[in-house]
Amino acid sequence: GAGVSQSPSNKVTEKGKDVELRCDPISGHTALYWYRQSLGQGLEFLIYFQGNSAPDKSGLPSDRFSAERTGGSVSTLTIQRTQQEDSAVYLCASSLGASGGARETQYFGPGTRLLVL
Amino acid sequence: SQKIEQNSEALNIQEGKTATLTCNYTNYSPAYLQWYRQDPGRGPVFLLLIRENEKEKRKERLKVTFDTTLKQSLFHITASQPADSATYLCALSSGNTPLVFGKGTRLSVIA
Repeated sequence: GAGVSQSPSNKVTEKGKDVELRCDPISGHTALYWYRQSLGQGLEFLIYFQGNSAPDKSGLPSDRFSAERTGGSVSTLTIQRTQQEDSAVYLCASSLGASGGARETQYFGPGTRLLVL
Repeated sequence: SQKIEQNSEALNIQEGKTATLTCNYTNYSPAYLQWYRQDPGRGPVFLLLIRENEKEKRKERLKVTFDTTLKQSLFHITASQPADSATYLCALSSGNTPLVFGKGTRLSVIA
């Protein structure tokens, strides 16, 4: 079946503009995660959605970052007033969510490469 | 503060040898440890999960150990092949917290 998809695959924007990144998880997966990966750095957790529970936003670096998950499926990560340090690959992952996120296989999308000029 | 260290940024080995990658952690008591493979331009792919009460887990040519006393996991690839060349990431969680990833080790298997 289809894996996790993300769009766009690449995004170039000017400093100060807002951007929206989209993630389509695997059908039936109730858990969805966003990560950020900067050059030479590990994956940095941003936010975690599990079913209808309130999301875990503990990894969001500033209030310029927000995410939504509509209908328990598609998620959008929004970065307002982008800064050059926001340039990174933004990765989305999903998992079944049956037993708690960290205990399960996470399936990653290909990522969105964001460049802020 | 919590810290995860993977032994080196890059590791080069000869084809056919066993590659051993290290993941050390401090100020952390993970209940679960996962290993992922990441190829350039792609998202990570899950390889193995090991629990704190498991000493070792195997999958085909892969073997993972988890030593909670040493606070270390070792990831072995036996009979390595050039196709095993990739970045390998370890990730930890206490079970109720999100996965925390290391920076990864870039493995190159030379024919």
